[in-house]
Amino acid sequence: DIQMTQSPSSLSASVGDRVTIACRASQTIGNYLNWYQQKPGKAPKLLIYGAFSLQSGVPTRFSGRGYETDFSLTISSLQPEDFATYYCQQTYNTPPTFGQGTKVEVK
Amino acid sequence: EVQLEQSGAEVKRPGATVKISCKASGYTFIDNYLHWVRQAPGKGLEWVGRLDAEDDETIYADDFQGRVTITADRSADTAFLEMSSLRSEDTAVYYCATDGVSVGLNPFDYWGQGTLVTVSS
Repeated sequence: DIQMTQSPSSLSASVGDRVTIACRASQTIGNYLNWYQQKPGKAPKLLIYGAFSLQSGVPTRFSGRGYETDFSLTISSLQPEDFATYYCQQTYNTPPTFGQGTKVEVK
Repeated sequence: EVQLEQSGAEVKRPGATVKISCKASGYTFIDNYLHWVRQAPGKGLEWVGRLDAEDDETIYADDFQGRVTITADRSADTAFLEMSSLRSEDTAVYYCATDGVSVGLNPFDYWGQGTLVTVSS
């Protein structure tokens, strides 16, 4: 199975901050990398697919980059509604695997 | 509008079997895989398995082989997850999700609201 490792596991930030979360795959996955946002008690929400494509309706302050094994999610200017947990996921092969999550908390 | 509507919370004893459902609407049910993902309290997301509703082909995560069965009722656009020999570690929210309905590269683009399964004596 492909292992997905996110860093950091948590971070503290303020509204307006630029935030970047990293995700590394244990083997090459091309651009089959997705990012999800999850708030407490809610299902995950797709933010970015194919490493850098923004899902419809997702604010443009979210962006993704990377290829093969190293990827990142950036929030250009953190908003109050962005405090949540973020997961990366590879869908390059089966089983699809998730990173362990990064919790973005209020500083 | 694509929706995945899951059945309600369940409480089971250790060793019991649970069967939960996920009703799809707003897209052609047999055109996309239907996945099950679980999340234990305070933990991350864990893929359980997936169903190809067109031909009933299933693939399960190794950790669940032999204990989980995913099926579908195509006439009702509904998928089911059955898990047997329940133990306390199976206490989790179980989500159904479909992939690639709206975009390519098979991200999980639509999710159900989740079903809490509690295993307790």
